[in-house]
Amino acid sequence: DTAVSQTPKYLVTQMGNDKSIKCEQNLGHDTMYWYKQDSKKFLKIMFSYNNKELIINETVPNRFSPKSPDKAHLNLHINSLELGDSAVYFCASRKLAGAEDTQYFGPGTRLTVL
Amino acid sequence: AQSVTQPDIHITVSEGASLELRCNYSYGATPYLFWYVQSPGQGLQLLLKYFSGDTLVQGIKGFEAEFKRSQSSFNLRKPSVHWSDAAEYFCAVTNSGGYQKVTFGTGTKLQVIP
Repeated sequence: DTAVSQTPKYLVTQMGNDKSIKCEQNLGHDTMYWYKQDSKKFLKIMFSYNNKELIINETVPNRFSPKSPDKAHLNLHINSLELGDSAVYFCASRKLAGAEDTQYFGPGTRLTVL
Repeated sequence: AQSVTQPDIHITVSEGASLELRCNYSYGATPYLFWYVQSPGQGLQLLLKYFSGDTLVQGIKGFEAEFKRSQSSFNLRKPSVHWSDAAEYFCAVTNSGGYQKVTFGTGTKLQVIP
């Protein structure tokens, strides 16, 4: 009964390839995010979706394209992978409800670009 | 724009000693403040949060944090550290309502020595 799940957990690929990371939440939240955590552990927001609509796009290269087929899923597709894309990518869902405002994070996907 | 500063990149404490991790935020209105913990190879887990009311908030695993508006701080404390507390700790800020993004600090790595 994992709240936020991501697949795959590890992804190793060559430069120039295209890859996707999937995220699913079973919490019934309307808002989901993608974060990138670099080697120095800095956590940077990439995208935010609310009810399948893009809300935040933090000047991420357009090689990154999020897709939200429904409220429970937010997938991340990356085209033409570059070495600098190597990082851990976290999906999160958020309950926007005043004092109950909380983000729940997935376990992360470690992407290594060779 | 909102920002979070965690001035200590790395802290080492002895098991059983007290702990204080510092967090300073910059935000125009009343912030929502969070502390998350990330164990190696894991996602982020919420320790505690502050929205309003009592400025001393209690969290899981024996942690507490105090919101001090005059100092723009939200420091995390624990009276007696356990070896299992060794992890990366992130402070975060957002605001109420809407779909505002959550901004994370750069994290503080806690090492616990026997």
